[in-house]
Amino acid sequence: DSGVTQTPKHLITATGQRVTLRCSPRSGDLSVYWYQQSLDQGLQFLIQYYNGEERAKGNILERFSAQQFPDLHSELNLSSLELGDSALYFCASSPRTSANTGELFFGEGSRLTVL
Amino acid sequence: KNEVEQSPQNLTAQEGEFITINCSYSVGISALHWLQQHPGGGIVSLFMLSSGKKKHGRLIATINIQEKHSSLHITASHPRDSAVYICAVRDNNDMRFGAGTRLTVKP
Repeated sequence: DSGVTQTPKHLITATGQRVTLRCSPRSGDLSVYWYQQSLDQGLQFLIQYYNGEERAKGNILERFSAQQFPDLHSELNLSSLELGDSALYFCASSPRTSANTGELFFGEGSRLTVL
Repeated sequence: KNEVEQSPQNLTAQEGEFITINCSYSVGISALHWLQQHPGGGIVSLFMLSSGKKKHGRLIATINIQEKHSSLHITASHPRDSAVYICAVRDNNDMRFGAGTRLTVKP
């Protein structure tokens, strides 16, 4: 058990809809990262938050947004969903913001299916 | 060309064999991670390296910064080692992933 909790584990929805994925980091970890894993593109970094502020952006679509709340949990919002958004979405937390020293702890992922 | 290349893509071994998975990258990095993903989908971080060598039990990871290359070795492989192994490199706060190596260890 990594200590990172993601909900829901599975989600099925229709095109055009909006969903919210939630991540609770390990106790004390200030950094939260979101990743997408699809069959055709593999793992991709989406976005990082550190102590409530956006710290880095990767391949995140404009239809997607995220935030980190004062209690350090994070939510990833996916809107106007398309079939191609079907993927596993992982959250990871780290005790630091520095890319040099931050060990990563992954949640079990949220599997999104868009029909 | 992918910035992070792993080889081989697939690997089948007999229990007890020594296994090596390679990762080459073309960008400057601050750290390299080896990740393990089991069929259920969960990801576990095995190692984070910025130089040299690390060992956890039967797993050894090495990195050569000058050659931009890392290897993951598994000694005395076991069927429970069957998983996808992913190399990931961090450049400041961005992260790029290899396509993964699917390892199957047969009893």
